[in-house]
Amino acid sequence: AQTVTQSQPEMSVQEAETVTLSCTYDTSESDYYLFWYKQPPSRQMILVIRQEAYKQQNATENRFSVNFQKAAKSFSLKISDSQLGDAAMYFCAYGAANAGGTSYGKLTFGQGTILTVHP
Amino acid sequence: DTAVSQTPKYLVTQMGNDKSIKCEQNLGHDTMYWYKQDSKKFLKIMFSYNNKELIINETVPNRFSPKSPDKAHLNLHINSLELGDSAVYFCASSQEERISLSSYNEQFFGPGTRLTVL
Repeated sequence: AQTVTQSQPEMSVQEAETVTLSCTYDTSESDYYLFWYKQPPSRQMILVIRQEAYKQQNATENRFSVNFQKAAKSFSLKISDSQLGDAAMYFCAYGAANAGGTSYGKLTFGQGTILTVHP
Repeated sequence: DTAVSQTPKYLVTQMGNDKSIKCEQNLGHDTMYWYKQDSKKFLKIMFSYNNKELIINETVPNRFSPKSPDKAHLNLHINSLELGDSAVYFCASSQEERISLSSYNEQFFGPGTRLTVL
């Protein structure tokens, strides 16, 4: 079974600074996807960024980028130029890539990291 | 024009009651899901339906019964509610996208329903 671990229950960063959130996962599959979701106090789940395991290039979305280390099964999220609106709970998630079967579409989430942004 | 909507947003009820949470998506997706987020914010999948067919059924008590009247709706019915059922329940939907040899499904989440059992 896949597991996802976020070892930082809480992180804080000063506005305009950079912060990195850690995530490790365990899987025996070779093809999968990894995601970072943001959950602000409104509790809406918002997709921040995704990474395909077959791609070596790290995904980037504006101020958000990932450091994907497939051999180490590590998937960290870097937020540059942090803004007050980035304050939220961040979830790392793993998704199987193959269609069909009982694991299709299933997202396995980590425990979450609460990010506080100080002005 | 909300993509994935859930009703109600808040639900407070007594132990032993039966309640339903409704979910609708207008994205034309063929797969829908129910997730449970407990008091420690841990999110776990409960069910998924693809074109009205049950695909994933995690180890959920049989007091929970999903019902999908059509592929745009996936409702969650809970019988004999217990204190431990208090949580936030999220509905989500996705459409499989074929990329190279693998498939990818970005899931769009509803706003969540906070269920409180007294």
